[in-house]
Amino acid sequence: NAGVMQNPRHLVRRRGQEARLRCSPMKGHSHVYWYRQLPEEGLKFMVYLQKENIIDESGMPKERFSAEFPKEGPSILRIQQVVRGDSAAYFCASSSSGGDNEQYFGPGTRLTVT
Amino acid sequence: QKEVEQDPGPLSVPEGAIVSLNCTYSNSAFQYFMWYRQYSRKGPELLMYTYSSGNKEDGRFTAQVDKSSKYISLFIRDSQPSDSATYLCAMSGAMNTGFQKLVFGTGTRLLVSP
Repeated sequence: NAGVMQNPRHLVRRRGQEARLRCSPMKGHSHVYWYRQLPEEGLKFMVYLQKENIIDESGMPKERFSAEFPKEGPSILRIQQVVRGDSAAYFCASSSSGGDNEQYFGPGTRLTVT
Repeated sequence: QKEVEQDPGPLSVPEGAIVSLNCTYSNSAFQYFMWYRQYSRKGPELLMYTYSSGNKEDGRFTAQVDKSSKYISLFIRDSQPSDSATYLCAMSGAMNTGFQKLVFGTGTRLLVSP
């Protein structure tokens, strides 16, 4: 019974490059959430998606960040023109319904911007 | 003032001790309360999920919610070295929108010594 899968686990990018983070939800889950964890800070909500729809992106920075969850394939969090301040752990969670607050987290992608 | 306050610790206890972890919050709309355990460099693991005020017990873990005081607790009985981790409280609000983002505390680091 596979849990939430994220890849890559570690990603190094130079300033100005693009970062693509992937998330496959748990089997049977169709709701995906992205959170960011900065050093010494708690997890911060970024975006909530269902298949082919962005439901809530109130936590996403206005520029350079985008997310999608296509009909087929994993959810992708995309960061364009990365800066050092984007270095963080990015976690994906999934749930069986949007009203179900039991969100299960993946192992995270640790992004380092050099 | 943060919506959710949590002492970062570290909290050091000997094996077998009873551990008490706590969070306070300011948003009276929160109704769902969760505790996650996060080992170093891993994703958060859901431990306890409670709705509104009251107690919930699962094995060595007991979660308590006091909405009148805006205070939640997690108790760990007979603590083990394997319980050494960071414990995150999380909470969310009413269900009328069909979805509520989780708001996390910064986490308390627990160290259980043999």
